[in-house]
Amino acid sequence: AQSVTQLDSQVPVFEEAPVELRCNYSSSVSVYLFWYVQYPNQGLQLLLKYLSGSTLVKGINGFEAEFNKSQTSFHLRKPSVHISDTAEYFCAVSDNFGNEKLTFGTGTRLTIIP
Amino acid sequence: DSGVTQTPKHLITATGQRVTLRCSPRSGDLSVYWYQQSLDQGLQFLIQYYNGEERAKGNILERFSAQQFPDLHSELNLSSLELGDSALYFCASSAPGIDTQYFGPGTRLTVL
Repeated sequence: AQSVTQLDSQVPVFEEAPVELRCNYSSSVSVYLFWYVQYPNQGLQLLLKYLSGSTLVKGINGFEAEFNKSQTSFHLRKPSVHISDTAEYFCAVSDNFGNEKLTFGTGTRLTIIP
Repeated sequence: DSGVTQTPKHLITATGQRVTLRCSPRSGDLSVYWYQQSLDQGLQFLIQYYNGEERAKGNILERFSAQQFPDLHSELNLSSLELGDSALYFCASSAPGIDTQYFGPGTRLTVL
C-alpha cells in the first residue's frame, strides 16, 4: 500500500519570499509522483509530475520539485511567491505497475501575506 | 479548463435520497476516475472505469455505484444518502498510456 504525508497543513509566506511545501511518500514499489493545486472553489490542476529521469522537475507557474529516492521525498518549491499562489496544494502518488489510482496527501494550504 | 465536465455543479438533497452525478471525460480519454473530497477523509479514490469496464475499486461504499457508457461518459450513483456523504465529488480522466489524470470542477453534494 502507498501513503503520502504532507507535513504542513498550513504555510503562511510573505509575497516574493521563497516557499517549500514538504511531501514524503511510502511505497513498496516504484512510484510516479504528482503535485496538484486547488484554487478556491475549483477543481484540481496538475502542477508537475515525476515519472522517471531527472530528479528535478519543473512545472507550471514557476514551481519545481525534487524527487529524492533515499529520503522518499518530493518537496515542492518556488523561489518567489505571488498573491495568486494562494491555494491548497496536494501531493499524490501512483505506482507504475498498472495501478493508476492516485493516493493523495492531506493537503497544504499556502497563504501569501502581502 | 481541463476539458473534463461534471454536472451538476451543486446538489442539495435529503437523507435517504438517491442522486446521480455525471462526468464527461476529455476527448480521447478512455479512463474515468471518481474521487471524494471531504473534510474528515480528505481526497479518496472511489472507482476507475476503462473503456466501459470497471478497472479498480477503492473506498467506495456499497450504497454507491458507477458505470461508464459506450460514449465514455460516466455516472456515479449515490443512494440511501447520509449526512456524512456530503462532500465534493471529482471526476478525472486520462488517455491510454498517459499517466496524468485531468480533473473536472467537481460536484458539491450537500445532504440535509
